[in-house]
Amino acid sequence: EDKVVQSPLSLVVHEGDTVTLNCSYEVTNFRSLLWYKQEKKAPTFLFMLTSSGIEKKSGRLSSILDKKELFSILNITATQTGDSAIYLCAVEVWGAQKLVFGQGTRLTINP
Amino acid sequence: DTAVSQTPKYLVTQMGNDKSIKCEQNLGHDTMYWYKQDSKKFLKIMFSYNNKELIINETVPNRFSPKSPDKAHLNLHINSLELGDSAVYFCASMPGTNTGELFFGEGSRLTVL
Repeated sequence: EDKVVQSPLSLVVHEGDTVTLNCSYEVTNFRSLLWYKQEKKAPTFLFMLTSSGIEKKSGRLSSILDKKELFSILNITATQTGDSAIYLCAVEVWGAQKLVFGQGTRLTINP
Repeated sequence: DTAVSQTPKYLVTQMGNDKSIKCEQNLGHDTMYWYKQDSKKFLKIMFSYNNKELIINETVPNRFSPKSPDKAHLNLHINSLELGDSAVYFCASMPGTNTGELFFGEGSRLTVL
């Protein structure tokens, strides 16, 4: 069965800290890995990764994929209270046209 | 303009009732989904339709029946509601070229009493 596991499940840090969120996966036929941010309502797209070792960056957020070790990390530097959210990792399974989600990491940034 | 819209946003009902949630997307995407998010925030796929045709049914009880009248709409009907059906139900769509990115609606919070 296709599986995506995120760690930690919950993380509380102070504003200005740097955080690293982890995502490991076991799927039958990997196509891509995606990161989403969920605040109060719908998840919103952050990154899609398909190739190993190529960092994707957007402002203070960055992510990288390791297809050999089957994991990805999401880094957030100089965290702000607005970064508080649930971060979801998902893997797209080739041919199945679906995303399999991890259980999410709840990130809380305290002022 | 809202890309993926769901109604109602909140639904409170008694056990045993039947309810429907509607979803519409104006993105021109071929594929639409229903996902269920439980109280632990775990998002699990329920159904997927591609151009009105059912392509994924993830062992969901047959009390749940999706209907896609056209490729822009995917509705979810639930019969004989149970307490365990309480969750947030998200509709989503994906382009036909299968970029992998899902576009989510804002969710419909269902509470069964």
